[in-house]
This record gives sequence, structure tokens and C-alpha cells, in this order.
Amino acid sequence: GAGVSQTPSNKVTEKGKYVELRCDPISGHTALYWYRQSLGQGPEFLIYFQGTGAADDSGLPNDRFFAVRPEGSVSTLKIQRTERGDSAVYLCASSVDRVTGELFFGEGSRLTVL
Amino acid sequence: GEDVEQSLFLSVREGDSSVINCTYTDSSSTYLYWYKQEPGAGLQLLTYIFSNMDMKQDQRLTVLLNKKDKHLSLRIADTQTGDSAIYFCAETSGATNKLIFGTGTLLAVQP
Repeated sequence: GAGVSQTPSNKVTEKGKYVELRCDPISGHTALYWYRQSLGQGPEFLIYFQGTGAADDSGLPNDRFFAVRPEGSVSTLKIQRTERGDSAVYLCASSVDRVTGELFFGEGSRLTVL
Repeated sequence: GEDVEQSLFLSVREGDSSVINCTYTDSSSTYLYWYKQEPGAGLQLLTYIFSNMDMKQDQRLTVLLNKKDKHLSLRIADTQTGDSAIYFCAETSGATNKLIFGTGTLLAVQP
């Protein structure tokens, strides 16, 4: 596709459940980022992939959060034992140019934990 | 630590100029950015400035950078109702150049 695609666009789950959020970056973009945006806040960095490897995972809040990008394209953000505080919009972005840092964002996956 | 601050809200009349301000903390940031977020849409890059520049102009947008004070501003000339959105400044940080975003400024343009 032409842009970054994220699925699902909306996910409602119950506290304690496991959730997977998918990101399909722009073709040819080697850098992929996950951010989390809570209501009224700016995007908060979670993790950055360069190719298949996580180059920087310093933003993951705890070990319930994990992300993979096994073939260097699609990425999945996995959240175990979800908590109400995990409710947010999870944004994915990709970039071809790491130097200038121009990121192309998807529309996000809105996660609501009841 | 990393911290990017912005004022929360700005209201202007259509046709006036808007100035959105931002302060950042990482003096080693190579680039500084302005992103725009409209309701129901993804973040969109508006413009960016290299850290060795003082000013960059792009049509109605003017970016000013005061590196000494770590202050960045975005001026929108002849503001239109379609400019109503949340504007985020962002700095690059660390060896991986990840973007750190500010809290966002909601720009409301009154007709």
C-alpha cells in the first residue's frame, strides 16, 4: 500500500488478556518505530527497529510489552496481561532516512482495556 | 532527561499569524521537527530544521531555532481554518536518533 497500515484500528479487551497489534510499513522502509499516545499527550517512544533487530527498546514500559519484526517488514507489538493503564492509541511509523528522521505514521490502533 | 515542552492551546482568528513555541532539552539533537495531527488522521511531518540553521521558511511556515536557549518556534502566516489541529515539536535523541515529541499545542482558528 501507499502508507503505513495498522490493524486493528480499534481493539477492546478485558483486563488480563493478551493483545497483538500489527504494523505494515511502507515498502522499502528499513526503520520502524512504535509509539504510544495517551489522551492529551504527545507520542511516547516505545521501540525502534532497524531491519529485523530492535536497535532501541528503551521505551518499553515493562516486560509485558514485546515487539517483533522477524522478516524486516511487518511488525507486531504484543502486550501480555493487559491493564487499564495500557489504554491508548498505539502508533507505528516507518522511515527510509534515519539521518533526517522523517517518519511516516499510520493512523494508529486504539486499545481500550476494560 | 529528555523533555520537550509546549504550551497547550492557542486561539487565533482566520488571516492572523500563529506562533507556536517549544523548548527542548537535548543540545545534541541533529534535527528538530514540527508535526501536525488532525482529528482521526495520522501524524504528518510539516517541516524540519537542521540544528546548525537559525531559520527555515517554507511557504506559509517559518521555523526559528534559538540553539542557545533550546527554543524552537513555528510561525504560520495567514492562518486558515484548515490549519486547526494539534502541532507537535520533536527532537532527535540518542545514538539511534529516535524522535522525542512534545505534549502538543492545540491550534484553534476562529473564522
